Amino acid sequence: EVQLVESGGGLVQPGRSLRLSCAASGFKFDDYAMHWVRQAPGKGPEWVSGISWNSGKIDYADFVEGRFTISRDNAKNSLSLQMNGLRADDTALYYCTNGYTAWGQGTLVTVSS
Amino acid sequence: EIVMTQSPVTLSVSPGERATLSCRASQSVTTNLAWYQQRPGQPPRLLIYDASARATGVPARFSGSGSRTEFTLTISSLQSEDFGVYYCQQYHNWPPLTFGQGTKVDIK
Repeated sequence: EVQLVESGGGLVQPGRSLRLSCAASGFKFDDYAMHWVRQAPGKGPEWVSGISWNSGKIDYADFVEGRFTISRDNAKNSLSLQMNGLRADDTALYYCTNGYTAWGQGTLVTVSS
Repeated sequence: EIVMTQSPVTLSVSPGERATLSCRASQSVTTNLAWYQQRPGQPPRLLIYDASARATGVPARFSGSGSRTEFTLTISSLQSEDFGVYYCQQYHNWPPLTFGQGTKVDIK
């Protein structure tokens, strides 16, 4: 069974950091690019960042503005997102996905003082 | 960036009737197109990928068609559990992955 399990979300003050993790199983992880997609309350899904299968291609949405870093470890079937300088408008459910066939349940990030 | 545009914004359909949702891409995505259903408080549920392939466990009443820039999701006989917001998404080219703005399906 294909499974993606996110962790690391929580309540954090503006300007602080969080590190999200995603554990993959049930599919050949290193066959796929992987992505983080977020969804703010009442809004549609929004792409945050993506990384190619071998980490050779990495990119971010414009709103990231150098604050986030995506990485993967194919030996551990894991994906991460280091988020620094968090802002209130980063509040959202963050999903790990291979871009179409596999999605996690999401981890909630709330940025508030 | 490939812009995805869905229509209509809202669709009210009686149980048993057919529902047709449309999605247009600003440039060709070949058949790299997925459809998702999302109910309140739930993550997106993959229905269709590669424009017309049904995901595991998805009922046969859901079907997808189209290629390049024009796509359709059809629910042949709407059931009460089919309410929610439906999104199309292209994975042909990133950055970024892009989503339509959604079609809300109400049960009449």
